[in-house]
Amino acid sequence: AQRVTQPEKLLSVFKGAPVELKCNYSYSGSPELFWYVQYSRQRLQLLLRHISRESIKGFTADLNKGETSFHLKKPFAQEEDSAMYYCALKSADGLTFGKGTHLIIQP
Amino acid sequence: EAGVTQSPTHLIKTRGQQATLRCSPISGHTSVYWYQQALGLGLQFLLWYDEGEERNRGNFPPRFSGRQFPNYSSELNVNALELEDSALYLCASSRATGANRGGELFFGEGSRLTVL
Repeated sequence: AQRVTQPEKLLSVFKGAPVELKCNYSYSGSPELFWYVQYSRQRLQLLLRHISRESIKGFTADLNKGETSFHLKKPFAQEEDSAMYYCALKSADGLTFGKGTHLIIQP
Repeated sequence: EAGVTQSPTHLIKTRGQQATLRCSPISGHTSVYWYQQALGLGLQFLLWYDEGEERNRGNFPPRFSGRQFPNYSSELNVNALELEDSALYLCASSRATGANRGGELFFGEGSRLTVL
């Protein structure tokens, strides 16, 4: 069965510092991975997907199959990045989410 | 374009009662997913419907059930409510599975169920 692990429940960094949100997965097939974000009082929404290899709001994430990881990174954190971040894995059974990391950017 | 809508926004029930939650997907979306978001447990997958059929269900007891109607809207039923069923129930929709290689789900704002 697939599994998504986000080891940090809470991550607090200062504005301007680099951010890395960790995500590890367990899946026997070829994974499709995503990052979803939920800003305060807003709906959960897609941030980025690994197949697009895109940078959204300065965030990037690289799929590392050897380490079974899909960490989310941003070189310089901004206060508006404060939110809940969920890593998700898509399989034939649907979309499985990690438990989320609450990112707090301190001024 | 209207987003995913869920009703009711809040629902208060007592133990043993039944709850029904409803979801209207984005127009053109045929897949509907239900997730339970309980405090500290993240998003737990409940059910997935596509083209009116149940495609998969998560590790929840049979008293959690649902259906998808011909217009692709969906309802989630929870029978014999227990205190631990108190949570935010999120519905999400996506385009047809085959066409949706990107896997993007669009979420509603959720229905907050409180069991007393």
